[in-house]
Amino acid sequence: DAGVIQSPRHEVTEMGQEVTLRCKPISGHNSLFWYRQTMMRGLELLIYFNNNVPIDDSGMPEDRFSAKMPNASFSTLKIQPSEPRDSAVYFCASSLVNTEAFFGQGTRLTVV
Amino acid sequence: KQEVTQIPAALSVPEGENLVLNCSFTDSAIYNLQWFRQDPGKGLTSLLLIQSSQREQTSGRLNASLDKSSGRSTLYIAASQPGDSATYLCAEGMDSSYKLIFGSGTRLLVRP
Repeated sequence: DAGVIQSPRHEVTEMGQEVTLRCKPISGHNSLFWYRQTMMRGLELLIYFNNNVPIDDSGMPEDRFSAKMPNASFSTLKIQPSEPRDSAVYFCASSLVNTEAFFGQGTRLTVV
Repeated sequence: KQEVTQIPAALSVPEGENLVLNCSFTDSAIYNLQWFRQDPGKGLTSLLLIQSSQREQTSGRLNASLDKSSGRSTLYIAASQPGDSATYLCAEGMDSSYKLIFGSGTRLLVRP
């Protein structure tokens, strides 16, 4: 398996624009997580899906953030409208319940 | 509120030295603990996963221990090599959902 695949690897956008980050989890994994990493706050869990259903979105910072998982092999994280403080590295991870989590390479988002 | 703390924040050692990285957590009802490695600009690579019922896990030159009563985990690296230079993160699994609470990491430099 190629591991967790995220796209794009880098994204630079202007404030106010919509940004969509994409994730393909490892085949067979039933849990998917979106994390955000910044220098100030470290790694923070944004949202967690189990069997394609959002279970916990308490980490989503604002209504500007939304995430979907239409099927077991694809998830998106959308920011609309984007703001400079959203600049961070966004990671997607997948796992089977109670096994180790595997992370993607991340998407480095810069909002100018 | 669950917190995970890693000390020291940075560590520099000569090649060949054995070293210990520390991780402390506040939630005694920990479900599992995972150690990750992160190289600059890269994603997270899982190193070891310790379930709450276990005391330690070993993989090659790495050994991770878990002491729930004291709220501590350690990652022992034997015979360190320059290739071990990276940031090491520990993460507490809060429950069977496998949400992870991350520490801020220890940045390790192994000097040739």
